[in-house]
Amino acid sequence: DSGVTQTPKHLITATGQRVTLRCSPRSGDLSVYWYQQSLDQGLQFLIQYYNGEERAKGNILERFSAQQFPDLHSELNLSSLELGDSALYFCASSSREGGYTDTQYFGPGTRLTVL
Amino acid sequence: AQSVAQPEDQVNVAEGNPLTVKCTYSVSGNPYLFWYVQYPNRGLQFLLKYITGDNLVKGSYGFEAEFNKSQTSFHLKKPSALVSDSALYFCAVRASYGGSQGNLIFGKGTKLSVKP
Repeated sequence: DSGVTQTPKHLITATGQRVTLRCSPRSGDLSVYWYQQSLDQGLQFLIQYYNGEERAKGNILERFSAQQFPDLHSELNLSSLELGDSALYFCASSSREGGYTDTQYFGPGTRLTVL
Repeated sequence: AQSVAQPEDQVNVAEGNPLTVKCTYSVSGNPYLFWYVQYPNRGLQFLLKYITGDNLVKGSYGFEAEFNKSQTSFHLKKPSALVSDSALYFCAVRASYGGSQGNLIFGKGTKLSVKP
């Protein structure tokens, strides 16, 4: 158990809908990262927050947004969902601002199915 | 371009035999390399990382990895495979430039199957 928690474990929704995925980092970790794992794209970095502020952005669609709250938990919001958004969404956390030597610890993921 | 390649989609090994899962990388500057393992319906678990120093890195569950700068490789190894090692293994490198600087670039993963 990495200490990173994600809810819900599974989410089934319809095209056009909006969902929110939640992540709680390991105790003491200030950085939260979101990744998407799909069969065709593999594991891709979406976005990183450090202590409430956005720090880095990867291949995140404009329909997706995220934030990190004062208690350091993070939420990933996915809107206008399409079939292709079906994937496993991982949250990871690390203790620092994402320094090169920092280890990221991953949560169990949220499996999103868009019908 | 920054990238990681795992040339084998699947590796099959008999229990008790040594295993190697291959990884090559391309990155500007010093490479910071990681191995993660993913069991079915689970998240990624950190195994080990190379930052600097000794080219042989020891990690969790008896795994180790050998960094080779001239061959830009970071192969994962274990002297004696267990059936419970069967899983999906990901190699990753820290991005050194671009909007996602500092974050992980993953290979496509290698499925390891250990037969009794």
